[in-house]
Amino acid sequence: AQTVTQSQPEMSVQEAETVTLSCTYDTSESDYYLFWYKQPPSRQMILVIRQEAYKQQNATENRFSVNFQKAAKSFSLKISDSQLGDAAMYFCAYTPRAGSYQLTFGKGTKLSVIP
Amino acid sequence: DTAVSQTPKYLVTQMGNDKSIKCEQNLGHDTMYWYKQDSKKFLKIMFSYNNKELIINETVPNRFSPKSPDKAHLNLHINSLELGDSAVYFCASSQRVAGTSNEKLFFGSGTQLSVL
Repeated sequence: AQTVTQSQPEMSVQEAETVTLSCTYDTSESDYYLFWYKQPPSRQMILVIRQEAYKQQNATENRFSVNFQKAAKSFSLKISDSQLGDAAMYFCAYTPRAGSYQLTFGKGTKLSVIP
Repeated sequence: DTAVSQTPKYLVTQMGNDKSIKCEQNLGHDTMYWYKQDSKKFLKIMFSYNNKELIINETVPNRFSPKSPDKAHLNLHINSLELGDSAVYFCASSQRVAGTSNEKLFFGSGTQLSVL
C-alpha cells in the first residue's frame, strides 16, 4: 500500500522569505504522479504543483518549486518570496499513473506567514 | 461556471438519520470521486466511479453508498448517520486521456457534515 508522510505538522515563515515543506512517500510503482495541494480556510482544495515521476526535471510554478528525489522517495515543496495569502494547510499527495486518480494524501502541514 | 459543485455546503442532522450530498461536474469527465476529510484534516479516498467501475475503499462502512444517475453526477447517500461521520466530504472528478499526461483532478468546495 502507498503511504505519504509529512513530518512537519506546522511551519511558519516570515513574509518575503523562503520555506520548504517536506514530504516522503512509499510505493512499489515506478510510474506515478505527486502533488502539492493548498487548502486555505475557505476549505477549497487548490492544486499548487504536480510532478510526473518519469520526469527528472523538477516542476516549478511561479514562486513554487519542488525538489523531487525519486530514489529517496522525497518530494519537498519550496515557496519563495512568501506572501500572506500562502498561509494555509498544504497536502502532499500521490497517485499511480495507471488507473483512476485515487489520491493518497499526507496528513498536511499548516503554514503560517508572519507579517 | 463552477466545474464541480456540491450541495449542500453545510449539513447538520441528528444521529440515525439518512442524508444525501449531491455532486455535479460540467467538465465532461469520466470519473468521479468522494473523499472524506476528518476533524484532524486527514483526507482519504472513499470511492472512485466511472460508468464501468466502482472502486470502494475497504474502510468505508456500507452505510455509505454512491449513486450515479448519469455521468455528470455522483451523489453520496449515508444511512443511519453516526457521530463519527461528522467530517467534510469532497467530491472530485478527473479525465484521463490515453497517451497524454494532460490530466487533472478537480475538487468541489466540500460539504461540512455535522451529526448531533
